[in-house]
Order: sequence, then structure tokens, then C-alpha cells
Amino acid sequence: NAGVTQTPKFQVLKTGQSMTLQCAQDMNHEYMSWYRQDPGMGLRLIHYSVGAGITDQGEVPNGYNVSRSTTEDFPLRLLSAAPSQTSVYFCASSYSSRTPTEAFFGQGTRLTVV
Amino acid sequence: GENVEQHPSTLSVQEGDSAVIKCTYSDSASNYFPWYKQELGKRPQLIIDIRSNVGEKKDQRIAVTLNKTAKHFSLHITETQPEDSAVYFCAASNSGGYQKVTFGTGTKLQVIP
Repeated sequence: NAGVTQTPKFQVLKTGQSMTLQCAQDMNHEYMSWYRQDPGMGLRLIHYSVGAGITDQGEVPNGYNVSRSTTEDFPLRLLSAAPSQTSVYFCASSYSSRTPTEAFFGQGTRLTVV
Repeated sequence: GENVEQHPSTLSVQEGDSAVIKCTYSDSASNYFPWYKQELGKRPQLIIDIRSNVGEKKDQRIAVTLNKTAKHFSLHITETQPEDSAVYFCAASNSGGYQKVTFGTGTKLQVIP
């Protein structure tokens, strides 16, 4: 049982490049989400999904796209990287969309945009 | 939307002393309040949570209290140990619709041996 797996762990991008951060969970969780973590700002919600085929925007969605074609996978796409997107990104999943429960986090991706 | 404020941003205590971290929330519909611990370079992990039908919950040296009227909740760590040093995040969410979790900005706790 791997839990939530994120790849890559580290990434350096040039301004304007695009990339996809991968996230997979093997716990059959309904709810998946992406956060960015910046110093002094906690964890801010980028996008979330309550099930396959259903996604919605969080607090800071601009510059990011998501899709959820399967229950297991929830990739995050950076369309045209900007230095303001330098951050640590965490994917998380929870059992239920309707009843709040513990969030299980991936190990994080440290992204630097130069 | 929900707004969660967390204080203090940093906290230093002597080993064996108690530590208290406080959070306030704005949405009266919030009914689930988890606390996460994040060690340096690691992922956040749940240490305790409380639901709005409970005023206090305890797990060994860790306790959480909730005051729904005042819309604030607190984390209490007793008999602190060096391994308690980490960043702690409070959060709030509600089940009235799809779950969205709002996190506080974090408290860096340093336990001095």
C-alpha cells in the first residue's frame, strides 16, 4: 500500500515551459486535491476533485489545469511556468468528498522556475 | 469562503514545558478541525482532529479544544520533547457540500533540550 505518490520530487523549469506533476493514490479515495506551500502562507488549495470526471477550482487556480480521468490519478499541469509558481506542491487525498476526513499527502514536489 | 488564522507563527519552549497553538475560523458551517504536523522536508501528517459535536479531544500528550461560539480551536502539547519540533498547521472544513479544507499559515515549534 503506497498511499499517495507524487513525481517528480524536484524540478527546475525555465519561464514559459510547461510540465505535469503526477499524483496517484491506491486507497480508492474519492477526494483529491493539490496545494502549494509557500513560506508564511501555509497550504493553499489550487484545484480539487470529488471523483472521476469532476474537478473544481480552489483558492489559487490561475496558471494550473487538472483532470481526473480515473479515481487513482490526479495530474497537475503548469501551462506556461512563471517565477511566481516557484513553490512546493503537495497532492493529497481523502476517503470521502462529503464527510471531512484525514487528508493523506504525497511527499511533495519542489519546483523552481527560473 | 473560510478564513483560518493561526498564532503564533513561531514558538520556542523548553523541553518538558507545554505548548499552545491557537486558531480562529470565520465560517460557522465548518465542522471538522484537523491538526497536521510537518517535519522539515517531509509531508504534513495528521496528529489529531476534532468535530464540532465535541468540545475537547485528547491523545496522550496532545489535546485539542474547540469553542464553536467564539469560533476558535487550540492545540495543546504537554511535556514537550525535542521530536515535537516541527511546523504545525490547523485547518477547518465543512461537509455542507463538497469538502474544501482551509489551512492556517502554520506555527514553527522549537523545543529546546
